[in-house]
Amino acid sequence: TQLLEQSPQFLSIQEGENLTVYCNSSSVFSSLQWYRQEPGEGPVLLVTVVTGGEVKKLKRLTFQFGDARKDSSLHITAAQPGDTGLYLCAGAKNYGGSQGNLIFGKGTKLSVKP
Amino acid sequence: DADVTQTPRNRITKTGKRIMLECSQTKGHDRMYWYRQDPGLGLRLIYYSFDVKDINKGEISDGYSVSRQAQAKFSLSLESAIPNQTALYFCATSDWGLGPTHFGDGTRLSIL
Repeated sequence: TQLLEQSPQFLSIQEGENLTVYCNSSSVFSSLQWYRQEPGEGPVLLVTVVTGGEVKKLKRLTFQFGDARKDSSLHITAAQPGDTGLYLCAGAKNYGGSQGNLIFGKGTKLSVKP
Repeated sequence: DADVTQTPRNRITKTGKRIMLECSQTKGHDRMYWYRQDPGLGLRLIYYSFDVKDINKGEISDGYSVSRQAQAKFSLSLESAIPNQTALYFCATSDWGLGPTHFGDGTRLSIL
């Protein structure tokens, strides 16, 4: 069974702090996606990384795909209350989605207090 | 209007009832998906469809069926609902290969 493990499960920080959340697997993925989900809503896609070692930035969010394409991290600089939510990573085994199935991690629940 | 619309948003029903959850999208995407989300288990794929004539089982298809009525519409049915199908259900779409890019806001289903 392919597993994507996310850590930590829960994170509560003060506004202005930096944080990193992790997504790890023993399997190689052709691509990895990060989503943020807020209560009562569906996940929103933040980024897709496809190349080992790739780094992508989205304002204060920095995403990195591991060199071996087995892990990824999300770093948030100067967190704000609007960053609060459930962060999900999901890995695709086959490029082009020939099987259509992403493996989702269980998520990191982030709370940023003002 | 939302890109991916799910109806109903909430449903409470009894064991043994047949239930249909509906999904429509305005993205023009060919690919549509149904997921369920349970606390502690994350999102799991029930069924997916790459076009109107294509239906594929996902990880947990037992007890569910789907119908792709048009490019924009993908419905999920529970033929005879049971309590362990109580969950949050999401429809999603994508244009091509790397998995769902747009999710609906979910249907919260409770089966008593």
